Amino acid sequence: ETGVTQTPRHLVMGMTNKKSLKCEQHLGHNAMYWYKQSAKKPLELMFVYSLEERVENNSVPSRFSPECPNSSHLFLHLHTLQPEDSALYLCASSQIIGSYNEQFFGPGTRLTVL
Amino acid sequence: AQTVTQSQPEMSVQEAETVTLSCTYDTSENNYYLFWYKQPPSRQMILVIRQEAYKQQNATENRFSVNFQKAAKSFSLKISDSQLGDTAMYFCASQNTDKLIFGTGTRLQVFP
Repeated sequence: ETGVTQTPRHLVMGMTNKKSLKCEQHLGHNAMYWYKQSAKKPLELMFVYSLEERVENNSVPSRFSPECPNSSHLFLHLHTLQPEDSALYLCASSQIIGSYNEQFFGPGTRLTVL
Repeated sequence: AQTVTQSQPEMSVQEAETVTLSCTYDTSENNYYLFWYKQPPSRQMILVIRQEAYKQQNATENRFSVNFQKAAKSFSLKISDSQLGDTAMYFCASQNTDKLIFGTGTRLQVFP
C-alpha cells in the first residue's frame, strides 16, 4: 500500500447530495489533515487532527464535516455544497516530532459540484 | 500572519538545463522548517527537499538544491540537469508549529 490513499479520486455531486471523502494513511503517523486546492490559490488548510482530536478548524463552513475515527482514517462528510466548493481536496498525514512536521500527501479527490 | 510568496506562476526550461524557482516567506519564528513540494500532473504531492532554518548550509538532494538566505527570508529551488519528469507544479512551504503555509505554486514545464 502506498503511504496515503484517498477515495474516490473523482466525485461529481449536486448541491443537495450528501457524500463522503475517505483518506487512509499506512505510515503510522499521529496527525492528519484536509486541504482544499483551488486554481491559482495557495493550499487552504481546512482541518487538523492530532492523535484523533481535532486541533484546528480554519473557519470552514459547516457543510464540511470531518471525522477521524482512528489514527489511520480520516473522512470529510459533504452536504449541501455550493459550486464554489469544486476543487481538489487533499489529505495529508505526518508524524509530529517536536517542531518538525513533514507532511505526506494523498493523490486527492477532484470534486465537482453542479 | 505567516505568508509564503512565489512570484513566478509559470516557468519553462529546456531539458538538461538549470532552472531556479523563487520563494520568499515571512515568519516571526526563530526555528522553523522550509520545504519544496512537487505536484506532477498525476497530482500526488511529494517532498522534494527540506531546510532547517538554524542550519546555514544549503540543503541538497541529488539534482535539487536550495539557496537559503535567512536574513532576506528567501528560499529558492535550483534544479540542475532538468529532466522531462521534472514537469510539475512546485510549491514552497514554511512550517509554523503544526501547520504548513504554502505559496501559490510555480508551474514548471521542461521541454525536450
